[in-house]
Amino acid sequence: GAVVSQHPSWVICKSGTSVKIECRSLDFQATTMFWYRQFPKQSLMLMATSNEGSKATYEQGVEKDKFLINHASLTLSTLTVTSAHPEDSSFYICSAFSSDTGELFFGEGSRLTVL
Amino acid sequence: QQQVKQSPQSLIVQKGGISIINCAYENTAFDYFPWYQQFPGKGPALLIAIRPDVSEKKEGRFTISFNKSAKQFSLHIMDSQPGDSATYFCAAQPGGYNKLIFGAGTRLAVHP
Repeated sequence: GAVVSQHPSWVICKSGTSVKIECRSLDFQATTMFWYRQFPKQSLMLMATSNEGSKATYEQGVEKDKFLINHASLTLSTLTVTSAHPEDSSFYICSAFSSDTGELFFGEGSRLTVL
Repeated sequence: QQQVKQSPQSLIVQKGGISIINCAYENTAFDYFPWYQQFPGKGPALLIAIRPDVSEKKEGRFTISFNKSAKQFSLHIMDSQPGDSATYFCAAQPGGYNKLIFGAGTRLAVHP
């Protein structure tokens, strides 16, 4: 089946630094990717919809200047957490939509810990 | 506002038993209802999905029952196994959009 790869799978950073997380669709083109955030023992909360070649659409309450999303190609979307703080520590998961199959495929997630 | 309500929050089932997880929604614009399985530290994986034009879909030990008039759908896991122990999320997708709205999740533990 289709595979979505996220990198890094885990990252630890100091408060105030920025962290970039990559999401790649490995064997299909994804015009639309989604970024979710998941706190321990909680559900996935949609942060933003990333469309190739255009600006991301953010969900209500998500700071677009805090969470920068770039979807520069049909196989890559990036999420940059700027000036990270401990409260940004979370599990970030991306998903990619395959227009060929009509399915959404999820990455393995990236665990961010901000010290 | 919780658009997809999922219950129970946690569930303990004996090996070989039936696990039942329920979800309800309000938005009639939803037209795709998948279930995802998530193991700790991993991303969710699609288990089974249904559209409103059918009332039931079965794949192996997993069955979705869908009640359009009640706006409810449920996941049944037959012959539950310890390896099924995971968190299960129902989700709903509005027609014409690709984004998913997730339920709160159900932590399933299947005891041997």
